[in-house]
Amino acid sequence: DGGITQSPKYLFRKEGQNVTLSCEQNLNHDAMYWYRQDPGQGLRLIYYSQIVNDFQKGDIAEGYSVSREKKESFPLTVTSAQKNPTAFYLCASSIAGSNYGYTFGSGTRLTVV
Amino acid sequence: GENVEQHPSTLSVQEGDSAVIKCTYSDSASNYFPWYKQELGKGPQLIIDIRSNVGEKKDQRIAVTLNKTAKHFSLHITETQPEDSAVYFCAAIIPNKLVFGAGTILRVKS
Repeated sequence: DGGITQSPKYLFRKEGQNVTLSCEQNLNHDAMYWYRQDPGQGLRLIYYSQIVNDFQKGDIAEGYSVSREKKESFPLTVTSAQKNPTAFYLCASSIAGSNYGYTFGSGTRLTVV
Repeated sequence: GENVEQHPSTLSVQEGDSAVIKCTYSDSASNYFPWYKQELGKGPQLIIDIRSNVGEKKDQRIAVTLNKTAKHFSLHITETQPEDSAVYFCAAIIPNKLVFGAGTILRVKS
């Protein structure tokens, strides 16, 4: 079955450490997105990529980095520069240029300990 | 900047009653408006969407209406059931970005 897979489901990080969240899709979608979800604030866009080897900052990119070396993969690194990283992170993909039909992964809950 | 406002933030209804969630958007260029349902610990799932050339769309117990002049759109759920309890998000497409409302927690009491 086609879909989008995020791993791990739960992740714990010590302060000062970088951590990378995985996102893989087999939907043949060109565009991929990372959102952060906090209670009462909806979904906020961190980074997005419309094509391999290209990506753009979203509304809250500070303290995060991404890469898009393969069409199927869009990993997100939460760096030590992110001051409040504890959140639920969602990855999504879509057909590029159409801006509809977003498919979301099941999310990764990151907790800083 | 781009903004989508969603109301109410929480909504409790009795099983069998209707539920209505309303959203407004700021960018008149928006042309696609999806609604997502998110259950606890899961990613959002698309439940219905509407494009700017249509005023209303219905899928069984769920309907969405769009008023482009007023820049608002609404989700209507009829004959609510306990399994409808979830968080619902509206969104508007500004080119290359999907901007979400803050979400509505819907509780259906049986």
